[in-house]
Amino acid sequence: DSGVTQTPKHLITATGQRVTLRCSPRSGDLSVYWYQQSLDQGLQFLIQYYNGEERAKGNILERFSAQQFPDLHSELNLSSLELGDSALYFCASSEDPYSGNTIYFGEGSWLTVV
Amino acid sequence: TQLLEQSPQFLSIQEGENLTVYCNSSSVFSSLQWYRQEPGEGPVLLVTVVTGGEVKKLKRLTFQFGDARKDSSLHITAAQPGDTGLYLCAGHSGGGADGLTFGKGTHLIIQP
Repeated sequence: DSGVTQTPKHLITATGQRVTLRCSPRSGDLSVYWYQQSLDQGLQFLIQYYNGEERAKGNILERFSAQQFPDLHSELNLSSLELGDSALYFCASSEDPYSGNTIYFGEGSWLTVV
Repeated sequence: TQLLEQSPQFLSIQEGENLTVYCNSSSVFSSLQWYRQEPGEGPVLLVTVVTGGEVKKLKRLTFQFGDARKDSSLHITAAQPGDTGLYLCAGHSGGGADGLTFGKGTHLIIQP
């Protein structure tokens, strides 16, 4: 158990819909990361927050957005869903955003778009 | 865009054999990490290498960072079925963006 909690674990939704994935980081971790994992693209960095502020942005689509709340939990919002958005979405956390810090991953949220 | 190429993509060997998987890039990384991911779980960090030429050992696993900090290898001695999993390498550029760049991984199956 990494200490990072993600909900829901599985989600099936239709194209065009919107979903919200939730993440609670490890106790004391200020930095939260979101990753998308698919068979063809591998694990892709989406976005990172540190203490409520966006710190880095990766390959995140404009249809996707995220935020980190004052209690440090984070949400990833996916809208206008397409079949290609079906993937495993991971949240990860670390103590601080600096290089070399250990990042702990949650168990992921399986999203299937039908 | 920094890319990490992992090879082989798939590897299935018998218990007791040795194996090496590779992680290569044309970019220099300030550090490189190896993760193992099992089905239904998130990646778990195995090791971080920082210095060019660095070698780290974790029981039967030996990790090496290339002298130029562009590549790395993972060698497993006397593989066991419990080593089965997806092995991912991830590079950190050390710049402002702290997200790791992951390779697509090596799917390793150790058959009893």
